[in-house]
Amino acid sequence: ETGVTQTPRHLVMGMTNKKSLKCEQHLGHNAMYWYKQSAKKPLELMFVYNFKEQTENNSVPSRFSPECPNSSHLFLHLHTLQPEDSALYLCASSPMTAIYGYTFGSGTRLTVV
Amino acid sequence: AQSVAQPEDQVKVAEGNPLTVKCTYSVSGNPYLFWYVQYPNRGLQFLLKYITGDNLVKGSYGFEAEFNKSQTSFHLKKPSALVSDSALYFCAVSAYSGGGADGLTFGKGTHLIIQP
Repeated sequence: ETGVTQTPRHLVMGMTNKKSLKCEQHLGHNAMYWYKQSAKKPLELMFVYNFKEQTENNSVPSRFSPECPNSSHLFLHLHTLQPEDSALYLCASSPMTAIYGYTFGSGTRLTVV
Repeated sequence: AQSVAQPEDQVKVAEGNPLTVKCTYSVSGNPYLFWYVQYPNRGLQFLLKYITGDNLVKGSYGFEAEFNKSQTSFHLKKPSALVSDSALYFCAVSAYSGGGADGLTFGKGTHLIIQP
């Protein structure tokens, strides 16, 4: 375990469903991130939270809605997704600046049917 | 805007031979550079980083990387490859922004295959 826990590990959902991904870290980090990993594409930064405040939204469609209730928890709420949204969703955390690098969770493999 | 290029989708090396995985970057200002490794169905694991100082950086599992400012490169190397090194490797860059949470920009990844 890396110290960053993501649940569920696998999720299959229909295009009309609503589901949520959860990320939890107890490393004392102040920043948390959502990345999308699709085959043969670079990791795409989706959202950045710093001390619970969203500091970056990388032009992500509104069908993805993040929530960060405290520095230890991060959620990604999903609704009316498309098949092209199927991917591995990775959560990461870091101390405030990138100089320390990130700690990643194992990811949630999402399949939209 | 910052970017990372990993020009090889796949690198194959015989076990025991040296390996190199290439990475070039583009960033405004001084770069922070990272290498991560990903095993199947797992998240990314930190290998090493360059922040400042010596151009040759040593990291986990016997890996090292050389920062070359003039060529804007940060190639990953290992003197003697192991079959267990087979995985997906990502190079990443961030620019110093004076503080605050920064999003790392990643390359597409390079599949490293070590043949017995």
